[in-house]
Amino acid sequence: GAVVSQHPSRVICKSGTSVKIECRSLDFQATTMFWYRQFPKQSLMLMATSNEGSKATYEQGVEKDKFLINHASLTLSTLTVTSAHPEDSSFYICSARGNRGLDNEQFFGPGTRLTVL
Amino acid sequence: GENVEQHPSTLSVQEGDSAVIKCTYSDSASNYFPWYKQELGKRPQLIIDIRSNVGEKKDQRIAVTLNKTAKHFSLHITETQPEDSAVYFCAAMGFKTIFGAGTRLFVKA
Repeated sequence: GAVVSQHPSRVICKSGTSVKIECRSLDFQATTMFWYRQFPKQSLMLMATSNEGSKATYEQGVEKDKFLINHASLTLSTLTVTSAHPEDSSFYICSARGNRGLDNEQFFGPGTRLTVL
Repeated sequence: GENVEQHPSTLSVQEGDSAVIKCTYSDSASNYFPWYKQELGKRPQLIIDIRSNVGEKKDQRIAVTLNKTAKHFSLHITETQPEDSAVYFCAAMGFKTIFGAGTRLFVKA
């Protein structure tokens, strides 16, 4: 299958700092990348969808000024959590869709566990 | 808005028994229905999927059925094993991707 990496895998930061998470498709071109957030014992909640070279589409209730998404190339998307607060602590997972696999098939990254103190 | 309902939230079975998880979706534009298995702290792993032009698909001990008219799809695991214990998510994908709330499956040895 296709490989998607995420970096970092775990980050602990102080309240008020910004954190950048990278999502890379290693062996295929990802025309679309998705960012999800998963709280403990809950489902994956789609935060935003980003298409290479265009602005991300945010889901209702997700603040675009707080969660900055950049999809600058066909292999890289970044999510920046600005001025992070303890309630932003969560498991953030990206997925990518592109020229690999079947239509609509998404390949997930390993996730980033963010802890804001 | 669009949503996916998944039942049950928790399922406990004896090793060797079958497990069935059901999902209902609301978005008529959904045409791809994957099922994921997620172990604690790890990424979701695709275990089987079905497209809207197919009614049933089987892969060894795992099968998925789809009733597009009723907007229902189900996951069937036969001969369950302890290593099947995990959280299972259904999803309905079309223009949007909506995940079910998840089912925590316990397989008792």
